[in-house]
Amino acid sequence: NAGVTQTPKFQVLKTGQSMTLQCAQDMNHEYMSWYRQDPGMGLRLIHYSVGAGITDQGEVPNGYNVSRSTTEDFPLRLLSAAPSQTSVYFCASRMDNSYEQYFGPGTRLTVT
Amino acid sequence: DQQVKQNSPSLSVQEGRISILNCDYTNSMFDYFLWYKKYPAEGPTFLISISSIKDKNEDGRFTVFLNKSAKHLSLHIVPSQPGDSAVYFCAASASGGSNYKLTFGKGTLLTVNP
Repeated sequence: NAGVTQTPKFQVLKTGQSMTLQCAQDMNHEYMSWYRQDPGMGLRLIHYSVGAGITDQGEVPNGYNVSRSTTEDFPLRLLSAAPSQTSVYFCASRMDNSYEQYFGPGTRLTVT
Repeated sequence: DQQVKQNSPSLSVQEGRISILNCDYTNSMFDYFLWYKKYPAEGPTFLISISSIKDKNEDGRFTVFLNKSAKHLSLHIVPSQPGDSAVYFCAASASGGSNYKLTFGKGTLLTVNP
């Protein structure tokens, strides 16, 4: 049972490039979410999904797209990277009707 | 508008002593609270939680206290160990249609000195 996995661990992008951060979980959790962590800012919710085919915006959604075609996978897409998107990104999942979220190890993204 | 506040960015304690981490919230709809622990280069891991129907929850060396009237909760670690050195995030959620979304504080870096 791998839990929540994220790839890549590190990524450097140039301004304007696009990329997809991958997230997968093997716990059959319906709820998945993406957070970003910035120094002194805590964890802020970007997008979340309550099940396959259903996504919604969180606190800081601008510049990011998500889709949920399967229960297991929840990729986060940066369409045109900006330096303001330099951050550490965490994917999380939880069981339905539970508050406790399980986090992946994170992706450290630098946009130059 | 920061709804969950951890006003101490850092805390340093001696091994064996008590660590007290504090958290304040402003949203009166919050009714479930969690503490997460985060080591460098790892994702946060769940530590302990408390529902608003309780004022205390204990799990081994970790106890969370909730003061609803003051909108304040605290995490007590007794005795503190060097392995407890990490960033601790307080999180809160409002049930009832909110999809159990968590609002996090900025975190407190705890350093336990041997």
